[in-house]
Amino acid sequence: RKEVEQDPGPFNVPEGATVAFNCTYSNSASQSFFWYRQDCRKEPKLLMSVYSSGNEDGRFTAQLNRASQYISLLIRDSKLSDSATYLCVVNYNNNDMRFGAGTRLTVKP
Amino acid sequence: ETGVTQSPTHLIKTRGQQVTLRCSSQSGHNTVSWYQQALGQGPQFIFQYYREEENGRGNFPPRFSGLQFPNYSSELNVNALELDDSALYLCASSLGAAGGTREQFFGPGTRLTVL
Repeated sequence: RKEVEQDPGPFNVPEGATVAFNCTYSNSASQSFFWYRQDCRKEPKLLMSVYSSGNEDGRFTAQLNRASQYISLLIRDSKLSDSATYLCVVNYNNNDMRFGAGTRLTVKP
Repeated sequence: ETGVTQSPTHLIKTRGQQVTLRCSSQSGHNTVSWYQQALGQGPQFIFQYYREEENGRGNFPPRFSGLQFPNYSSELNVNALELDDSALYLCASSLGAAGGTREQFFGPGTRLTVL
């Protein structure tokens, strides 16, 4: 099993759609979880941290299920500017962040 | 902009050569992590430096080595380059030894091509 696995995508959705990404991780001792966004040929940028109770930031909602070792990201009312690759990130040890391969999203007019 | 800078932006080397990549961390950050990102993949953790000491290493051979300087800038050195070393090399800075639990700010990366 890969350390961090994501939906392979790509996801092609119309503007205004709701889209959900899933991610599973193998290390049950992991304590920190993040979603990063990476635009084409750019560096990853933090989208949001994922907290145990779930958290929301505007149109974005992140959920964590420790029992199933599963993280999700929900994007509501998709915008053209949401088109990017979304990377699930889990800390493996205290200083070792493991990235998923990413899920590519294209939002179309 | 994150305030993390990397140089050079692009680099072309031939197999067997050596390369040094540089990273300046964000002001106030004392931890630098290096990642290799192959095309279509997520970044892979190479190693992390905290206060000039290596503070964790991923599954990369010893020909990948690094340094951190008193001003917290860092270098990644790769010896005996192989074709598979062609990738985007990212550095990320953060605050504190527990870099894995804190937000990391990435630089724009150095794109290395090995011919």
